[in-house]
Amino acid sequence: EADIYQTPRYLVIGTGKKITLECSQTMGHDKMYWYQQDPGMELHLIHYSYGVNSTEKGDLSSESTVSRIRTEHFPLTLESARPSHTSQYLCASSESLSGKYEQYFGPGTRLTVT
Amino acid sequence: SQKIEQNSEALNIQEGKTATLTCNYTNYSPAYLQWYRQDPGRGPVFLLLIRENEKEKRKERLKVTFDTTLKQSLFHITASQPADSATYLCALGPNNAGNMLTFGGGTRLMVKP
Repeated sequence: EADIYQTPRYLVIGTGKKITLECSQTMGHDKMYWYQQDPGMELHLIHYSYGVNSTEKGDLSSESTVSRIRTEHFPLTLESARPSHTSQYLCASSESLSGKYEQYFGPGTRLTVT
Repeated sequence: SQKIEQNSEALNIQEGKTATLTCNYTNYSPAYLQWYRQDPGRGPVFLLLIRENEKEKRKERLKVTFDTTLKQSLFHITASQPADSATYLCALGPNNAGNMLTFGGGTRLMVKP
């Protein structure tokens, strides 16, 4: 069982609200990621971080922003939620050691914007 | 652009049989390929990694092959059980952006008792 946590697990919120999805890991991993996944579809990388104060945008354009002030914490923020943001958001982490490429995923946050 | 193809149709097999899932890719020269299991409403769980210089990898009832000439990986589950029912994702890395993974859409496996 991976030591990576996401809260909330489910969130239903109205259009225009600001939301923050929390992600924390206790494995000491330097690398962390946010993916977006619609039902039955592939995961799309939206943000990643190689360490504290390092954040980059992923392959899929997203209106969300992220921060990495502490190694273990990688929150994702939407300033103004819209129905198009409805999706599952998955957080993951991995080690920086050479040869350790597997990613450990949290349980996900299912976001519904009404 | 890079493309990863997994059979989007569900694979239905009988308990005890061997399940074989396929992952094909184009416009890509991955250094390694990974397989993950994803249950409904949950995050993916890592199963196996195979490197470009490896032909085959085994772990308990799982076997992965990697053919860089055909640009294909096969994922086998022998003596399948209903508990193996899930969606299986292949992922290639690193992608052009760096040490990242690119995921396929996954194949849903249903093992019937």
